[in-house]
Amino acid sequence: NAGVTQTPKFRVLKTGQSMTLLCAQDMNHEYMYWYRQDPGMGLRLIHYSVGEGTTAKGEVPDGYNVSRLKKQNFLLGLESAAPSQTSVYFCASSYGSSPYQNIQYFGAGTRLSVL
Amino acid sequence: AQSVSQHNHHVILSEAASLELGCNYSYGGTVNLFWYVQYPGQHLQLLLKYFSGDPLVKGIKGFEAEFIKSKFSFNLRKPSVQWSDTAEYFCAVNGPGGADGLTFGKGTHLIIQP
Repeated sequence: NAGVTQTPKFRVLKTGQSMTLLCAQDMNHEYMYWYRQDPGMGLRLIHYSVGEGTTAKGEVPDGYNVSRLKKQNFLLGLESAAPSQTSVYFCASSYGSSPYQNIQYFGAGTRLSVL
Repeated sequence: AQSVSQHNHHVILSEAASLELGCNYSYGGTVNLFWYVQYPGQHLQLLLKYFSGDPLVKGIKGFEAEFIKSKFSFNLRKPSVQWSDTAEYFCAVNGPGGADGLTFGKGTHLIIQP
């Protein structure tokens, strides 16, 4: 049971390049989340999904797009990367929305540098 | 919007010292409260959680936290820390809706000196 798997683990981009981060979970979780972690800022929610085919904006959605075509996968896209998007990106998933179901399980993170 | 404040950004303790990390949240309604830990180079792991009931909750590795509703606080404690507790600690909250993600504090970097 792998839990939440993120690929890639590291990536370096040039300004203006695009890329997609993949998050996969094998726990049959309904809800999935993308956060970014910056020094001194904690984690901030970028986008989330409450089920296959749904997405919603979080606290810091600008510059990112997401898709949830399959229940187990949640993709985070950067169409035109900017240095301000240099960060560590974490994906998380949870079973449902009630308190005991909404415990979030996190992936290992993707460290992205935009030059 | 919810907000979470962690009072100590960097804490340095010696082994066997007692630990208390402060956490205050802004939301006045029903909340779910969490402490997560991130060991160096690893992903976030859940230390403990509070949903309802006994305000003193116990988590893994000897950690506990007390929910004080009147103070909007959820402080993390450990009576005697170990070198292996060196990590980043995050307090987080979500509202009754639950599904719309967690609001995290900025984290506390804890260093335990042998």
